[in-house]
Amino acid sequence: EVLLVESGGGLVQPGGSLRLSCTASGFTFSSDWMSWVRQGPGKGLEWVGQIKEDGSETHYVDSVRGRFIISRDNAKNSVYLQMDSLRAEDTGIYYCARDSAGTTFDYWGQGTLVTVSS
Amino acid sequence: DRQMTQSPSSLSASVGDRVTITCRTSQSITSSLNWYQQKPGKAPKLLIYAASSLQSGVPSRFSGSGSGTDFSLTISSLQPEDFATYYCQHRGAFGQGTKVEIK
Repeated sequence: EVLLVESGGGLVQPGGSLRLSCTASGFTFSSDWMSWVRQGPGKGLEWVGQIKEDGSETHYVDSVRGRFIISRDNAKNSVYLQMDSLRAEDTGIYYCARDSAGTTFDYWGQGTLVTVSS
Repeated sequence: DRQMTQSPSSLSASVGDRVTITCRTSQSITSSLNWYQQKPGKAPKLLIYAASSLQSGVPSRFSGSGSGTDFSLTISSLQPEDFATYYCQHRGAFGQGTKVEIK
């Protein structure tokens, strides 16, 4: 059974930083792209970024490029989202997802809530 | 940037109804279009990938069609558990969602 478990969410002040983690099990983690997708309160889904199987390539949505960094540790079956210079509009639930072939989010975690507020 | 436009943004339907949701893209994406279902407080779930392929475990009342710029998701006979929000997606872009509510 594929399982993705996010952690690291919480309350942070504007301008602050937070690091999210996602630990995977039930599949060969090093063989798949991984993505982060977020959802603001009462809003739709927004893709944040993705990382290639070996970590050699990353892509981001314009609104987070330069502030967020995605990394992975295949030995720990984990993917990370380092979020710096956080803004109120970054508030929401952050999901990690297995990104099959870099195009399809076929498995999702339960999400972790990030709140950016003073 | 590629735009994904879903319609309608919401609809009311009864159990047993046939429901169709459409997704239009600003540029041709061949058949690289996926559909997701999200229930309140839950993570999204993949229903259809590559425009028309049913994800394993998804009931056959769900179907997808289309190519190029116009796509649709059809629920042949709406069931109580199908009341949810549905999203189309191509690579880094999601549609704005269609909320299916009980009439």
